[in-house]
Amino acid sequence: AQKITQTQPGMFVQEKEAVTLDCTYDTSDQSYGLFWYKQPSSGEMIFLIYQGSYDEQNATEGRYSLNFQKARKSANLVISASQLGDSAMYFCAMREGRGDSNYQLIWGAGTKLIIKP
Amino acid sequence: NAGVTQTPKFRVLKTGQSMTLLCAQDMNHEYMYWYRQDPGMGLRLIHYSVGEGTTAKGEVPDGYNVSRLKKQNFLLGLESAAPSQTSVYFCASSYYPGLNSNQPQHFGDGTRLSIL
Repeated sequence: AQKITQTQPGMFVQEKEAVTLDCTYDTSDQSYGLFWYKQPSSGEMIFLIYQGSYDEQNATEGRYSLNFQKARKSANLVISASQLGDSAMYFCAMREGRGDSNYQLIWGAGTKLIIKP
Repeated sequence: NAGVTQTPKFRVLKTGQSMTLLCAQDMNHEYMYWYRQDPGMGLRLIHYSVGEGTTAKGEVPDGYNVSRLKKQNFLLGLESAAPSQTSVYFCASSYYPGLNSNQPQHFGDGTRLSIL
């Protein structure tokens, strides 16, 4: 079974609009972490934001925020006031807390976001 | 401001040839990882290391070997390249992740490898 599901293979959004990228996860662990990374067309992987399972507040980093709904096992990335430079692939990843996992990251397949001028 | 450096950036091999990809990090990270990225899929972990002199298998280790003789370097080897190994390879590193840790993995720029 997929542990990280990103249901939107691609999205088109008008510049300056807010955009929500979906991520659902599957784990039986109580302790885990969720990460979002951005991959522009140049190829590098850029860390954006982190949410821990015990964090009571939704994480925010500048224009990025994470809509964390623990009961639904979703961790959606929200980008406010989108810019042309936000066009990229976006990956959701999970780190489980099991000792035998060695804290590896499990990755979703990604969402390709294109911002239209 | 180097971070994680991968060499080479591009390489074309013939089936059966061998090569080594080098990853170097200057952040004193304990953990290092090798991933492959294929179209339409997320990153898949090949091998990883939790410290100097240690390595472990990830999700897709077959056909690859690794070594971590120095803390700052993590080498990925292909002994006999196959077309199925055509991919983009990423190296990453992090501090000890731990429980509830916000330590992200820091990535190199990737190596685009084609096997003919």
